[in-house]
Amino acid sequence: GAVVSQHPSRVICKSGTSVKIECRSLDFQATTMFWYRQFPKQSLMLMATSNEGSKATYEQGVEKDKFLINHASLTLSTLTVTSAHPEDSSFYICSFLTRGHAGYEQYFGPGTRLTVT
Amino acid sequence: EDKVVQSPLSLVVHEGDTVTLNCSYEVTNFRSLLWYKQEKKAPTFLFMLTSSGIEKKSGRLSSILDKKELFSILNITATQTGDSAVYLCASQGAQKLVFGQGTRLTINP
Repeated sequence: GAVVSQHPSRVICKSGTSVKIECRSLDFQATTMFWYRQFPKQSLMLMATSNEGSKATYEQGVEKDKFLINHASLTLSTLTVTSAHPEDSSFYICSFLTRGHAGYEQYFGPGTRLTVT
Repeated sequence: EDKVVQSPLSLVVHEGDTVTLNCSYEVTNFRSLLWYKQEKKAPTFLFMLTSSGIEKKSGRLSSILDKKELFSILNITATQTGDSAVYLCASQGAQKLVFGQGTRLTINP
């Protein structure tokens, strides 16, 4: 199956600093990608949807100035958590949407666990 | 508002039992219904369903969609301890996925 990488897999940072999470599709190109956040024992929550070359569409309640998304190319997207606070501690997962022979297929990265102290 | 509801939220069975997980959805411009298995990290894809009444099968797992009743089920037969996980269903409308809250399945030996 298709492979999506995320880096770093785990990061600990101090409150007030910024953290960049990188997401790459390794063997396919995708025009659309998603960023999710998952708190312990909860389901995935969509943060934003982005198309390559255009601005991301953020879900209600997600601050676009705090969670900066750059969909730089068909294989790379980054999420920057600016001025991180302890409540931003979560599991962040990226996902690419691509069109397969059976229709749209979605592939997830392995996730990044962010801990803000 | 788009919505996906899974039931039960939690299920504990013995190894060898058969389980059925439920997923109902209300999504604008429905395109597909997807099932995922999530263990410790990111979800892994199980099935994508687009047509009503056609069962998809992979080993001991199978799933079917009812587009009239806006419902899908995931069946797991002869369960094993390795099946313990959270099972997520998601409904795809346009270019956005809406996830259910998940069913936490625990298989006891």
